[in-house]
Amino acid sequence: DTEVTQTPKHLVMGMTNKKSLKCEQHMGHRAMYWYKQKAKKPPELMFVYSYEKLSINESVPSRFSPECPNSSLLNLHLHALQPEDSALYLCASSQSFVEARTEAFFGQGTRLTVV
Amino acid sequence: AQSVTQLGSHVSVSEGALVLLRCNYSSSVPPYLFWYVQYPNQGLQLLLKYTSAATLVKGINGFEAEFKKSETSFHLTKPSAHMSDAAEYFCAVKASGGYNKLIFGAGTRLAVHP
Repeated sequence: DTEVTQTPKHLVMGMTNKKSLKCEQHMGHRAMYWYKQKAKKPPELMFVYSYEKLSINESVPSRFSPECPNSSLLNLHLHALQPEDSALYLCASSQSFVEARTEAFFGQGTRLTVV
Repeated sequence: AQSVTQLGSHVSVSEGALVLLRCNYSSSVPPYLFWYVQYPNQGLQLLLKYTSAATLVKGINGFEAEFKKSETSFHLTKPSAHMSDAAEYFCAVKASGGYNKLIFGAGTRLAVHP
């Protein structure tokens, strides 16, 4: 199983809503990532979890709150988002965050629209 | 610091023609290099990676790339384009021995016409 599964595939939320994005992998990977991708742009790193601990926060606004309940799951909690936060949110995992030669496996993404 | 430059935001080829997507990197330490493909409304799929073993790397779907240190390049090629190759392609670099962040190029959109 080399899949990273993200749910939901699409999400429309109002600016006062609270919602969560979910990501799951069963490859035994110990690093998990959240990326944000705007149209016609490359993915931008948001957060990195290594061994279930937050290792990197790329100065992401606090309206985005990551959570790693266990080594297979990664959540992104959303609250009071702005329309400019509309984007494709990608989850990824890799064997190790420290070992640079390991590749990242990406999920299919959640297309988020904030209205 | 590491960076990646992809020359040409759009490349158009005929079906059956050679595909060449250009990637140049900048890195102060030996790099690890990756090519990813993204089909519309989907995530990224790894095509191939260079991790300092063979300089000519073969990937999935008939793609290959050659690491050229003297030219700081890692261009992606495929001898014969297929309609299904139409997608966005991203070159990415990671630095060995430290901060393990994947740095993406801006991407190249490949169009394949009959």
